[in-house]
Amino acid sequence: EVQLVESGGGVVRPGGSLRLSCAASGFTFDDYGMSWVRQAPGKGLEWVSGINWNGGSTDYADSVKGRFTISRDNAKNSLYLQMNSLRPEDTALYYCARGLEFDYYYGMDVWGQGTTVTVSS
Amino acid sequence: QSVLTQPPSASGTPGQRVTISCSGSSSNIGSNYVCWYQQLPGVAPKLLIYRHYQRPSGVPDRFSGSKSGTSASLAISGLRSEDEADYYCVAWDDSLSGYVFGTGTKVTVL
Repeated sequence: EVQLVESGGGVVRPGGSLRLSCAASGFTFDDYGMSWVRQAPGKGLEWVSGINWNGGSTDYADSVKGRFTISRDNAKNSLYLQMNSLRPEDTALYYCARGLEFDYYYGMDVWGQGTTVTVSS
Repeated sequence: QSVLTQPPSASGTPGQRVTISCSGSSSNIGSNYVCWYQQLPGVAPKLLIYRHYQRPSGVPDRFSGSKSGTSASLAISGLRSEDEADYYCVAWDDSLSGYVFGTGTKVTVL
């Protein structure tokens, strides 16, 4: 069964850091680009960042550029999101999502269940 | 920020056909593939349509997608109570170098 399981969410103060992880199983991880997508409470979906199959290409939403870093470890079938300088507006449910192809800009098919990040003093 | 515009709500009675529009621009829908997602309350989004009109295996053919110019549409025919959910379109935007999601449409089955 194809599965993505996020972890690492929690409560953090403004200015703090968190590292999210996404464990992939049931498919050949390094055949696919990956993305992080977030959803603030009661709001719509917002793409955060994407990475291609080998980590050689990445992109970020303007709202997180310079603060967040996406990475992957294909040997561990894992995707990561390092979040620094967190702000209250980063509070959201963060989803890990698989791309449709080697790159991440053709769409996303499989999604995890999400991990919650709360930024509050 | 959302750059794709969807109507906030749509509704229909069981068996009816409902269409949701998604309006974008030449840098997103006009030049890249559109996907559609269904999100039930408290659940992760589910892919309904990719590459404008392709359906993943397991998605009923009641769901169909189309694209014309810088707009796309999702049609749900034979509306059922379990179709009550939020629906989002999404496309890559070449100008932003990122995905842009639609504003979302809440479908209600009357």
